[in-house]
Order: sequence, then C-alpha cells, then structure tokens
Amino acid sequence: ELKVEQNPLFLSMQEGKNYTIYCNYSTTSDRLYWYRQDPGKSLESLFVLLSNGAVKQEGRLMASLDTKARLSTLHITAAVHDLSATYFCAVDSYGQNFVFGPGTRLSVLP
Amino acid sequence: DSGVTQTPKHLITATGQRVTLRCSPRSGDLSVYWYQQSLDQGLQFLIQYYNGEERAKGNILERFSAQQFPDLHSELNLSSLELGDSALYFCASSVAGTGPGTVEKLFFGSGTQLSVL
Repeated sequence: ELKVEQNPLFLSMQEGKNYTIYCNYSTTSDRLYWYRQDPGKSLESLFVLLSNGAVKQEGRLMASLDTKARLSTLHITAAVHDLSATYFCAVDSYGQNFVFGPGTRLSVLP
Repeated sequence: DSGVTQTPKHLITATGQRVTLRCSPRSGDLSVYWYQQSLDQGLQFLIQYYNGEERAKGNILERFSAQQFPDLHSELNLSSLELGDSALYFCASSVAGTGPGTVEKLFFGSGTQLSVL
C-alpha cells in the first residue's frame, strides 16, 4: 500500500525566513504533485514533478524530486504572509491513484 | 476557478438519511475523482470514474456509491449517514485516467461540506 508522509505537519515561521517541507513516499513513482489549500477552500495545483531530479520554481516556492530516495522537497524562500496555507504532496502510483500526504500547515508570522 | 463545479456547497442532514453530491468536471475532462477530507483522516481517495466506468476504488464505504453519467457529470450517494461521515467532500477531474505514460493533474472543485447531526 502506497503511503505518503510529510514533515513537518505544522510549521510556524517568520516572514523573510527560509524553510523546507519534506515529502516521503513508500513505493516507486515517477510523478509527484504539490498542492496548496487555503482554509475552507479547494486545492490548487502548484507543481507537477515528472522525473528524477526534476526541479520546478514559482515565485518563492521551489519543488524538487528524488525518485531514488522517494523524497520530494518544497523549499520556501523569504517567506511572506500570503504563503500561509496547508501544503499537500501527492503521489500518483498506477493502480492506486493519487495518494495525498497529511498536509503541512504553514503559518507565516510578521 | 478550476472549472469543476460541485453542488451543493453545504449540506446539513440527520443520521440515517441519504444525500447526493453532484460534480460537473471541467470541459473535456473524462476522469472524475471523489475525495473525503476530514480533520482526523486527511484527504482520503474514495473512487474514480473514467468516461462512465469505474476505474479505481479507494477507502469507500459500502454505504457510499457513485456513478458517472454519459454527460460525464458524477454523483456521490451517501446513505445511512453517521456522525462520522461529516466531512468536506471534494470532486476533482482530469483529462485522462491513470496509467503508464499518462500525465495527470487534478483540478479540484470547491467541495461540499456535509454536516450530519
């Protein structure tokens, strides 16, 4: 059974600081996704990572994928309050569909 | 706006009742996925349909059922409701079904908040 873990589950950080969220998964997969969810809202796709070594960047967020280590990271650079949200990684494993991690609730404090 | 429409946005009902949640996928998307989100269980995959046929099944209770109609909209039926069924139910759509070589991105609707009293 495919399992997806995220670390940390809760993250409180100050504006301007850098931090990394980690996503580990248990079975082989070449595709990993990052989503953002604002409180009470739907999920918004941030990144799709399709191969080992893939790196995607959008604004202050950068995601990477290491399929050999079964690890993806979401790096936050110089955090701002607008980045406060819950971030989910999800793994697409054929036959098991999209399995989401538990989410990392990020609070960026002024 | 993701293009995925879910109705109703909120639903309040009593234990033992039956409800139907509706989802219209993005134009052109053939796959519909249903997820349940609760505080203690996180995002749980329930079921996927592709072009009218069931493609994959997750942690869906026997009291729950779904279908996808010829016009590609989908309905999730929840029966004999229990307090623990209270959750946010999301529908998502994508172009194709999962499989080797298929690049997927899910587009989520705004969800239906179900409260069972």
